[in-house]
Amino acid sequence: GAVVSQHPSWVICKSGTSVKIECRSLDFQATTMFWYRQFPKQSLMLMATSNEGSKATYEQGVEKDKFLINHASLTLSTLTVTSAHPEDSSFYICSASWGVDQPQHFGDGTRLSIL
Amino acid sequence: AQSVTQLGSHVSVSEGALVLLRCNYSSSVPPYLFWYVQYPNQGLQLLLKYTSAATLVKGINGFEAEFKKSETSFHLTKPSAHMSDAAEYFCAVSDLGSGNTGKLIFGQGTTLQVKP
Repeated sequence: GAVVSQHPSWVICKSGTSVKIECRSLDFQATTMFWYRQFPKQSLMLMATSNEGSKATYEQGVEKDKFLINHASLTLSTLTVTSAHPEDSSFYICSASWGVDQPQHFGDGTRLSIL
Repeated sequence: AQSVTQLGSHVSVSEGALVLLRCNYSSSVPPYLFWYVQYPNQGLQLLLKYTSAATLVKGINGFEAEFKKSETSFHLTKPSAHMSDAAEYFCAVSDLGSGNTGKLIFGQGTTLQVKP
């Protein structure tokens, strides 16, 4: 149980394009979803927290106009990297939870490479 | 505010040996603590969690962790390492401060190497 699906797993695109990453909770309703960024050999950096039907809460230093997050339903959240540039290349991971006192369950991540 | 420190960024053990990964936390409230494992190019998988019930927590794949309040520790152990245990391990504490969003604060991670 508690399966989170993230798609795509790998994407390469040209500089200036926008990329959308989907995060779905397959067998539970996720009241909260989280988006992380991970650099090689480093820990996860929380980008934002999103609750279904409300605006995402971004961590300090994360550009909300650059990283658009939508949490339209209890099973789907999307992260759109707008006008992506090479410095946005990274491993992006989502997680989902059905309660603040419940563990987060993670997707398999998306490797984003901007050329 | 909560924080997590993982002692040792890299741990190497022989196959069959005891695995001990150290985690110390700081929290002004009773903490919720987690251990996650990450294999290359994958997301994180929950190994076990402590949420103020039994102090010795058993998880998947033979791992367990003991919550010691006096030492503010939550070390992860496994009696006998397998080659398949080689991965990155993250200790995390849940942000139970004001707002209580369920955010996780992660340690820096420990790479476990298992030698044949």
